Amino acid sequence: DAGITQSPRHKVTETGTPVTLRCHQTENHRYMYWYRQDPGHGLRLIHYSYGVKDTDKGEVSDGYSVSRSKTEDFLLTLESATSSQTSVYFCAISDSRQGNTEAFFGQGTRLTVV
Amino acid sequence: AQTVTQSQPEMSVQEAETVTLSCTYDTSESDYYLFWYKQPPSRQMILVIRQEAYKQQNATENRFSVNFQKAAKSFSLKISDSQLGDAAMYFCAYISNFGNEKLTFGTGTRLTIIP
Repeated sequence: DAGITQSPRHKVTETGTPVTLRCHQTENHRYMYWYRQDPGHGLRLIHYSYGVKDTDKGEVSDGYSVSRSKTEDFLLTLESATSSQTSVYFCAISDSRQGNTEAFFGQGTRLTVV
Repeated sequence: AQTVTQSQPEMSVQEAETVTLSCTYDTSESDYYLFWYKQPPSRQMILVIRQEAYKQQNATENRFSVNFQKAAKSFSLKISDSQLGDAAMYFCAYISNFGNEKLTFGTGTRLTIIP
């Protein structure tokens, strides 16, 4: 299994508080992604990174920010959590330089905003 | 921008029968990969099959095969001899192999296996 871990796995937080989710990889993959998964919407891209300090927005980036200060860590921050951000969040990694392109996923983080 | 469309929110199939899940995509690029991922109730994302766009031969992995129609931008998944363990959400996904490797997913198809 690819070395990718998300923390925490579960979190309950209150509306208006900041929340940070962490994705850590040991594969030295160039690309890292954050998705949210909601019923009927599949996986929607929030932000992604193509290198240290290089990030770009996905289709649902409002209310989220990211940082990547080193290759192995990609942080997702909800600046002021809202109930609409209750979701399951997935981190993924990929790198075409590794040969056959494939995306590997973390286990997911279930976030509940009350 | 690339888009991936799965028009079948739910599908069901009798055990041991064959089922085909549909996926279409839109891109202006010529070099890319397409994937089918399986997500069982455990939420784990599992790669089922991968297709490189410049390969004309359809990919096959045991009971899973694809029908890749590049000109039509269609990428369907056929599951033969369906088993109870195949019950899951199936996601079609696209990634460019040139420059920006932005990974885009469809909305998924929930597959139910009828014993």
